[in-house]
Amino acid sequence: NAGVMQNPRHLVRRRGQEARLRCSPMKGHSHVYWYRQLPEEGLKFMVYLQKENIIDESGMPKERFSAEFPKEGPSILRIQQVVRGDSAAYFCASSPSTGANTGELFFGEGSRLTVL
Amino acid sequence: KQEVTQIPAALSVPEGENLVLNCSFTDSAIYNLQWFRQDPGKGLTSLLLIQSSQREQTSGRLNASLDKSSGRSTLYIAASQPGDSATYLCAVRGNTPLVFGKGTRLSVIA
Repeated sequence: NAGVMQNPRHLVRRRGQEARLRCSPMKGHSHVYWYRQLPEEGLKFMVYLQKENIIDESGMPKERFSAEFPKEGPSILRIQQVVRGDSAAYFCASSPSTGANTGELFFGEGSRLTVL
Repeated sequence: KQEVTQIPAALSVPEGENLVLNCSFTDSAIYNLQWFRQDPGKGLTSLLLIQSSQREQTSGRLNASLDKSSGRSTLYIAASQPGDSATYLCAVRGNTPLVFGKGTRLSVIA
């Protein structure tokens, strides 16, 4: 059973470009979470999605950031018009469909975004 | 708002020592608490999950305890090895998705 798969592992963008990060949850998991880890900071929650629904986006910046989890395919975290402050590691996690609040979260290896 | 604190921020011990990492949280209304390990430049590996109704969980040389009423958890590592060197993260799940502490950076010296 493959774990949570994230790609790309490393992404370099120039200021003003767009970044798209993809996450495929573990097989059988339909809950996806995105977290951001800034250098020397802890992981901060961004958004929680189920298939075709955003459940909680309280941690998402109000502008330039969006997330989706379509019926088919991976979850996508999209950052438009990137700025240097967006440079960070972005982690995706998934959990099983049942016991959404009590289930264990499994994390991917992360996507490391560098904005030049 | 839930806040998670981990003490110490960094710890260096000689190989073979037993050690304890501490985690405290401000809101005791949690569903569970999870301990992770993170190696430099890598993702998070789940070590132990303790449900709110449980007091402790064990896996190999690791033992995690939970005192929900006082908002505390400890991760006990027995007979530490150089391969245990990593950052250990504590995270709690309540009405919001997992809230993380900043971690304890552990170095085990051979």
